Amino acid sequence: DVKVTQSSRYLVKRTGEKVFLECVQDMDHENMFWYRQDPGLGLRLIYFSYDVKMKEKGDIPEGYSVSREKKERFSLILESASTNQTSMYLCASSLPGTDSGNTIYFGEGSWLTVV
Amino acid sequence: AQKVTQAQTEISVVEKEDVTLDCVYETRDTTYYLFWYKQPPSGELVFLIRRNSFDEQNEISGRYSWNFQKSTSSFNFTITASQVVDSAVYFCALRGNSGYSTLTFGKGTMLLVSP
Repeated sequence: DVKVTQSSRYLVKRTGEKVFLECVQDMDHENMFWYRQDPGLGLRLIYFSYDVKMKEKGDIPEGYSVSREKKERFSLILESASTNQTSMYLCASSLPGTDSGNTIYFGEGSWLTVV
Repeated sequence: AQKVTQAQTEISVVEKEDVTLDCVYETRDTTYYLFWYKQPPSGELVFLIRRNSFDEQNEISGRYSWNFQKSTSSFNFTITASQVVDSAVYFCALRGNSGYSTLTFGKGTMLLVSP
């Protein structure tokens, strides 16, 4: 069965803190993604990675960075958290991007509150 | 650029009613893929269906059915005899066939089924 696991479901961080959101998939997928979800705005792509150590900016990369040191793990980093980064963050993975038909599978989401 | 529009932000029905969720998309790709995801209150995005642009056959899976009309760029989702467990936010999404394509989501339709 497909499994994307996000390490933290609920986090509360202070403004200016460095925040790590971790995601692990057990399906040997090459592609991994980070989205954020906000009311009225739907899901927006922050970053994605199509291979180890490779990364591409999505639609809203500002204020974020990512790390992909191992195939199964994709980390989202908020270098200095701000209140406008309070959101639900969703990690996802899929098979190689050369076949665009492959389904993208999502984790359960991480609810981040920055105070 | 790709775009997905879900014009219905919220729908309320009574159990056993049929309900249709609308999805209209825009893309310049000749090959593309359309998806529906369900997001229950727990937050996880659950994959429901994938459709490629070459296959316009309608699909039925139990109480769920999907109507793909390429001529009107629509991919509508119907739930027959709705149940309370169908209450969720439903997202329509589009994935193109260019490069390392990612999912573009609509803003979602919240479906509330009351007993």
